[in-house]
Amino acid sequence: GAVVSQHPSWVICKSGTSVKIECRSLDFQATTMFWYRQFPKQSLMLMATSNEGSKATYEQGVEKDKFLINHASLTLSTLTVTSAHPEDSSFYICSASPPRGLAHEQYFGPGTRLTVT
Amino acid sequence: GDSVTQMEGPVTLSEEAFLTINCTYTATGYPSLFWYVQYPGEGLQLLLKATKADDKGSNKGFEATYRKETTSFHLEKGSVQVSDSAVYFCALSDGGNEKLTFGTGTRLTIIP
Repeated sequence: GAVVSQHPSWVICKSGTSVKIECRSLDFQATTMFWYRQFPKQSLMLMATSNEGSKATYEQGVEKDKFLINHASLTLSTLTVTSAHPEDSSFYICSASPPRGLAHEQYFGPGTRLTVT
Repeated sequence: GDSVTQMEGPVTLSEEAFLTINCTYTATGYPSLFWYVQYPGEGLQLLLKATKADDKGSNKGFEATYRKETTSFHLEKGSVQVSDSAVYFCALSDGGNEKLTFGTGTRLTIIP
C-alpha cells in the first residue's frame, strides 16, 4: 500500500528557534499534501493544504508566516515552524493524496512530536 | 461548519466482547463518512467508508451504517481481538472535496 513517512518522529527545540518537519510519499506521487495538528485528547485539525509547485492554502486562524509549508516535489513537503514557542508544542501529522484523489484517499504519516522548551 | 462528535474514551474491553463506538456528525451538505484506525507508532489508515445514506461500510469484521435520519455512523464489531487495540477516528468529507473533518478519536484497549 501507499506509504508516507515523516522525519523526525520527535524533536525538542528551544524557544525562538525554527524546526523543519519533512513529509515524504515513498511509493507514489502526491500532488496534494495536508498538514494537521493534534492536541492531546482533541481531533486532528487541518492546518493547510499544499499542492506541488504552488503556494499552500492555510485554514482560518493558522499563521502562514509562522508555519511555512513548501511542496517542492511530488514526493516531498516540508513544514517549518519558525520562532517556535512552547504553545507550538504539539503532534504534527501529514498526509498525501495521489492525483485526482478523493478525501479518503489520503495516506497518513506516523506524525512528529514537537516539544518546545 | 462541519463537525464530528465521537464517543470519548478510553474504552477497555475483554477479548471477544462486542464493540460499539458512537459517532454523530453535523454537515451542511451530503457528506461521505469514514472510520480511520491508528495503530501504535503508525499513521492513520482508512478502515471503512460509506458515501450515501443507508450504505454500510465493512472491513476486518468492523461495520458502520450511514444513518442520515440520526446523523450517525457508529462503529461496531461483534467479537474484538487484542490486535484491535488502537485509536479509532470518525471523519467526514463534505461535498466531495479533499478535506477531512475528524472526531477526537477513541482509544480502544482489548485485554486477553
